[in-house]
Amino acid sequence: EPEVTQTPSHQVTQMGQEVILRCVPISNHLYFYWYRQILGQKVEFLVSFYNNEISEKSEIFDDQFSVERPDGSNFTLKIRSTKLEDSAMYFCASSDLTSGTLGGELFFGEGSRLTVL
Amino acid sequence: DAKTTQPTSMDCAEGRAANLPCNHSTISGNEYVYWYRQIHSQGPQYIIHGLKNNETNEMASLIITEDRKSSTLILPHATLRDTAVYYCIVILGGADGLTFGKGTHLIIQP
Repeated sequence: EPEVTQTPSHQVTQMGQEVILRCVPISNHLYFYWYRQILGQKVEFLVSFYNNEISEKSEIFDDQFSVERPDGSNFTLKIRSTKLEDSAMYFCASSDLTSGTLGGELFFGEGSRLTVL
Repeated sequence: DAKTTQPTSMDCAEGRAANLPCNHSTISGNEYVYWYRQIHSQGPQYIIHGLKNNETNEMASLIITEDRKSSTLILPHATLRDTAVYYCIVILGGADGLTFGKGTHLIIQP
């Protein structure tokens, strides 16, 4: 069964460093998302991406964050200068609206745990 | 998107049906009810969705009341692996992001 894969599974970084989290969405999907979950808290929407541009973003997704689809398979989340409060699990997801779904059926990866020291 | 209300936690005995309620009294006519679950910090997993009619798939059944103000997710024969946080989400559809609440922590007891 096709799945969304994320790397790295865990990254430890120093405050102020840049971090890139990588995702390989399901191959025929066209919509891509990043979510995060701070330990013990809710899953929070960060950004959605379609047709090589951001379609929606939350208040969390400030200028420190950026997303990119550098090639036909990868979807990346970059945090320019990490802060302690960026420590969280980051989930990538993809969906395919062209198959007749409503966009609510998202396929999530297993997450990348980011620890900022 | 309409707000949903779910119990914080529930217990269910292994092998029994787990019935998880969700209240969405402000749902509009073209909003869908989606259910996801998250097993111990893994990525959320889609379970089922519906608009008006009851739905069933290999994982679960979804019962939506006639006035659509509430719904129940049914896991017919719960196993220990069904222990997870279950999220009821109401959306219009499209590419916008999902809004996860706190969900219901379902604990399956052996």
